[in-house]
Amino acid sequence: EAGVTQFPSHSVIEKGQTVTLRCDPISGHDNLYWYRRVMGKEIKFLLHFVKESKQDESGMPNNRFLAERTGGTYSTLKVQPAELEDSGVYFCASSQEGGLTDTQYFGPGTRLTVL
Amino acid sequence: GENVKQHPSTLSVQEGDSAVIKCTYSDSASNYFPWYKQELGKRPQLIIDIRSNVGEKKDQRIAVTLNKTAKHFSLHITETQPEDSAVYFCAAKGRTASKLTFGTGTRLQVTL
Repeated sequence: EAGVTQFPSHSVIEKGQTVTLRCDPISGHDNLYWYRRVMGKEIKFLLHFVKESKQDESGMPNNRFLAERTGGTYSTLKVQPAELEDSGVYFCASSQEGGLTDTQYFGPGTRLTVL
Repeated sequence: GENVKQHPSTLSVQEGDSAVIKCTYSDSASNYFPWYKQELGKRPQLIIDIRSNVGEKKDQRIAVTLNKTAKHFSLHITETQPEDSAVYFCAAKGRTASKLTFGTGTRLQVTL
């Protein structure tokens, strides 16, 4: 089966600009997560969708970040306006709803650089 | 909330030796502990996981142990090979939440 895909793989933008990241989960996975890793630190949770609903957005750093999952399929994460501290690798993960395991499958990440 | 600490941050071993990475967690309600391996430029991949009702799990050269009383869990890799070189992340999941809380990662280097 196809894995979690993310687009773009890299993005370099200037402070103040807008960037939109996209995640396509594994087909049939109701749970979709966004995580971020800032240079050298831990992978930190941002938010969790169950289908199209935000289940937990406790990790979203501020209101410059907007995540959507219209239709319960792919998700987008928009950063507007971007700040220097937003640089990092943004990972998306998905898992089955009611599956036998809690396994979260990760995408390859989007490396965001804000100059 | 949950807090996961991981050490060491870097680990260098010779091929054939064993490697051990340790993690502690703070929330006694956490019940699921996965380990992910991330090779350079690739996605984090689950290599092994353990649930709170089990003390040890083994898969070929990889094993994980869990001590619920002490709230720590460890990854053991035996007979290391160069392809084991990667960054390893431990994580914990609470009983009522789906999110994973990760450690800061361990960069493992297996030298010939």
